[in-house]
Amino acid sequence: EIVLTQSPGTLSLSPGERATLSCRASQSVSNSYLAWYQQKPGQAPRLLIYGVSSRATGIPDRISGSGSGTDFTLTISRLEPEDFAVYYCQQYGGSPPYTFGQGTKLEIK
Amino acid sequence: QVQLVQSGAEVRKPGASVKVSCKASGYTFTNYAIHWVRQAPGQRLEWMGWIKVANGNTKYSQKFQGKVTIARDTSASTAYMELSSLTSEDTAVYFCVKDPGGSSSWEYFDYWGQGTLVTVSS
Repeated sequence: EIVLTQSPGTLSLSPGERATLSCRASQSVSNSYLAWYQQKPGQAPRLLIYGVSSRATGIPDRISGSGSGTDFTLTISRLEPEDFAVYYCQQYGGSPPYTFGQGTKLEIK
Repeated sequence: QVQLVQSGAEVRKPGASVKVSCKASGYTFTNYAIHWVRQAPGQRLEWMGWIKVANGNTKYSQKFQGKVTIARDTSASTAYMELSSLTSEDTAVYFCVKDPGGSSSWEYFDYWGQGTLVTVSS
């Protein structure tokens, strides 16, 4: 089973700043099958990124994904108030189970 | 628009079973797989299994093998997840999620149900 470790656990930033969230896998993620989700309190997660860097429908281009192998990054170039939430990475495409990271909480400083 | 609407919160005693439903609309139900993911308090999201709606084939996480059953009713555009032999560790929010792949599963999730809280307590 691939274990995903996200860092930092909590990130405190101000609107307008740049956010960089990390996701590290215990072994190489096959074919770059890595997704990112955003979850706000009391809501279901929302797909942001799939295939490491492809944005889901309706996701603004200030949100981007990058990485390969075992190290992946979600970047939000200019934080908007609606971006403050918890973010999860997920690996897929190989043998199940399809696992998630423990999450990074992005909070307003 | 695509919607997955789940059944309401449930409370069960240890040892009991629970069945959660997930009604799909806004797309052709039989064309896409449905997965189930759970989120226990303070824990990471956890993939439980999926069903290929077109033919009813299922695949489960080894952790949940023998404990979870995923099924579907194509006439009702509804998927089901039944969890048996409940313990307090099964207290969680359970989500049904749509796979964006067509004939083959892609195993990431483009639409999520609103979640169903299952509480296991004596």
